[in-house]
Amino acid sequence: EAGVAQSPRYKIIEKRQSVAFWCNPISGHATLYWYQQILGQGPKLLIQFQNNGVVDDSQLPKDRFSAERLKGVDSTLKIQPAKLEDSAVYLCASSFTSGGSQETQYFGPGTRLLVL
Amino acid sequence: SQQGEEDPQALSIQEGENATMNCSYKTSINNLQWYRQNSGRGLVHLILIRSNEREKHSGRLRVTLDTSKKSSSLLITASRAADTASYFCATNSGYALNFGKGTSLLVTP
Repeated sequence: EAGVAQSPRYKIIEKRQSVAFWCNPISGHATLYWYQQILGQGPKLLIQFQNNGVVDDSQLPKDRFSAERLKGVDSTLKIQPAKLEDSAVYLCASSFTSGGSQETQYFGPGTRLLVL
Repeated sequence: SQQGEEDPQALSIQEGENATMNCSYKTSINNLQWYRQNSGRGLVHLILIRSNEREKHSGRLRVTLDTSKKSSSLLITASRAADTASYFCATNSGYALNFGKGTSLLVTP
């Protein structure tokens, strides 16, 4: 079974530039998550989709971050404009059904972003 | 916000020894999960323990949960060099997972 795919794996940009990350979840998984992991910390949920609808985006900095999952499969996360503090690993995860409390989340390898 | 907090922050042991990591959290939970992260494979789910369970085993892993103390422990028995990784507890009180800062485990041959 193919895992969660993410691209690119690494990205270096200058502050105030924009950047986009792509995620392809495990086939058949209805729920998709984007996490931000700053060095030395655990992942922090940014946004959760169920199919193409947003379940939780309470911790997404909406002035600069946006995410979409138009067809309920792939998702993109965009940062515009980037700040130095956005340097982190961006992790995508998926789970099978509704993202309920008993479900295991499967994580992709992440995109490592460095903002200079 | 990060609810779980792992202890110790870093742990170094030799192969064959046991490794114990602890996690404390603040609010009531539905379940608690442990994940492993290394540079090669990203975050991998290890084990889930429900709030009405006290102990669970999976291979060389043993997890305990004490909801009265709001704490959990992860025991890895007979550790191997391949167990070198960061270990995170994640609490689930609804849909979102709240991760701690992790314990960095180094297993030396």
